[in-house]
Amino acid sequence: DIQITQSPSSLTASVGDRVSITCRASQSISTFLNWYQQKPGKAPKLLIYAASSLQTGVPSRFSGSGSGTVFTLTISSLQREDFATYYCQQSSLTPITFGQGTRLEIK
Amino acid sequence: EVQLLESGGGVIQPGGSLRLSCAASGFPFSSHAMTWVRQAPGKGLEWVSTISGRGVSTYNADSVKGRFTISRDNSKNTLYLQLDSLRADDTAVYYCAREKTVGTPENYCYYMDVWGDGTTVIVSS
Repeated sequence: DIQITQSPSSLTASVGDRVSITCRASQSISTFLNWYQQKPGKAPKLLIYAASSLQTGVPSRFSGSGSGTVFTLTISSLQREDFATYYCQQSSLTPITFGQGTRLEIK
Repeated sequence: EVQLLESGGGVIQPGGSLRLSCAASGFPFSSHAMTWVRQAPGKGLEWVSTISGRGVSTYNADSVKGRFTISRDNSKNTLYLQLDSLRADDTAVYYCAREKTVGTPENYCYYMDVWGDGTTVIVSS
């Protein structure tokens, strides 16, 4: 199975900050890496697919990069509505695996 | 509008069975693989099962293999998850999601672009 290690597990930041979240795969997954945002009590929402493609309707302050085993989600200027939990997910091989999640909290 | 609506969750005793449904609308259902993902209370996301568009191929997590069965009825635009031999650690919110692809047939990247609101399964005596 491909293991995904996501860091940090939690992050405290202020509105306007630039933040990055990293996912590391246990083996190369090319660019088969997706990012989701989840708010409490809600379903996950797709942000980025194929490592760097922005889903329609997602603000351009979100961006993704990486290939192989290291991937990054960056939020260029945090807005209040961005405080949530973020998950990465690999779709290179089954079993599909998710990172453990990063909880982004307001400072 | 593209929509997924799960139903069928509830409280069930250990060893019991339940069938979850996911009604799809607003898109050509049979053209998309579909996936179930679950989330235990206070925990992260866990992939459960995926089924191809025509229902020919299915994939399951080891944690549910032999106990859960994914299926679909394309004439009814509905996805199912049959849960048997339920255990306490199956307690979770179960989400259905539409799979989309990007790339070439030899090198598709799958991603879950539409999710339902989830249905809650509680396994408890």
